[in-house]
Amino acid sequence: KQEVTQIPAALSVPEGENLVLNCSFTDSAIYNLQWFRQDPGKGLTSLLLIQSSQREQTSGRLNASLDKSSGRSTLYIAASQPGDSATYLCAVSTDSWGKFQFGAGTQVVVTP
Amino acid sequence: GAGVSQSPSNKVTEKGKDVELRCDPISGHTALYWYRQRLGQGLEFLIYFQGNSAPDKSGLPSDRFSAERTGESVSTLTIQRTQQEDSAVYLCASRIAGSSSYNEQFFGPGTRLTVL
Repeated sequence: KQEVTQIPAALSVPEGENLVLNCSFTDSAIYNLQWFRQDPGKGLTSLLLIQSSQREQTSGRLNASLDKSSGRSTLYIAASQPGDSATYLCAVSTDSWGKFQFGAGTQVVVTP
Repeated sequence: GAGVSQSPSNKVTEKGKDVELRCDPISGHTALYWYRQRLGQGLEFLIYFQGNSAPDKSGLPSDRFSAERTGESVSTLTIQRTQQEDSAVYLCASRIAGSSSYNEQFFGPGTRLTVL
């Protein structure tokens, strides 16, 4: 069974610092991996989707890498802002139906 | 354009009552998923629809849970004889593709269910 782990569970950084969020998974036979952010009391907002054939995806200040062989993905957020404060979730799909196995998330606080 | 919508946003019910939760996916999205998030826990997959069929119901926790989808659009998750452990946020997601998993999933805001 696929296990998805996110480290650290919580992270606090001063504004302007770069954020590095880690996601690891036990079964390398994935279809894709998606990063989300979740704000308190809200649903999930999609950040980046990486296909299994890709090594990285970029959107603005966000960059996500994927190393299937080692079962890892890293989300980098450059020049963090207080508005980046949220819980970041990593989700892995290991079947053709696309259902996700989620990590427990990393709670990020960016202090002004 | 409109995203995934869910109703109600909050539902408080008494133990033993039945509840229905609704999801309206993005128009044209053939794949629809239900997940739940219990307090302090990660998201758990419940059921997947492709069109109006549910080829994967493996996450439904008991036979008190059922779901249907009509018109390749709206889906309803029904919980019968609710129990306190059913208290959670129920999230719905949709994506464009058929059996391919190469497309992003878009999530609704969720329904917070509280069973007293």
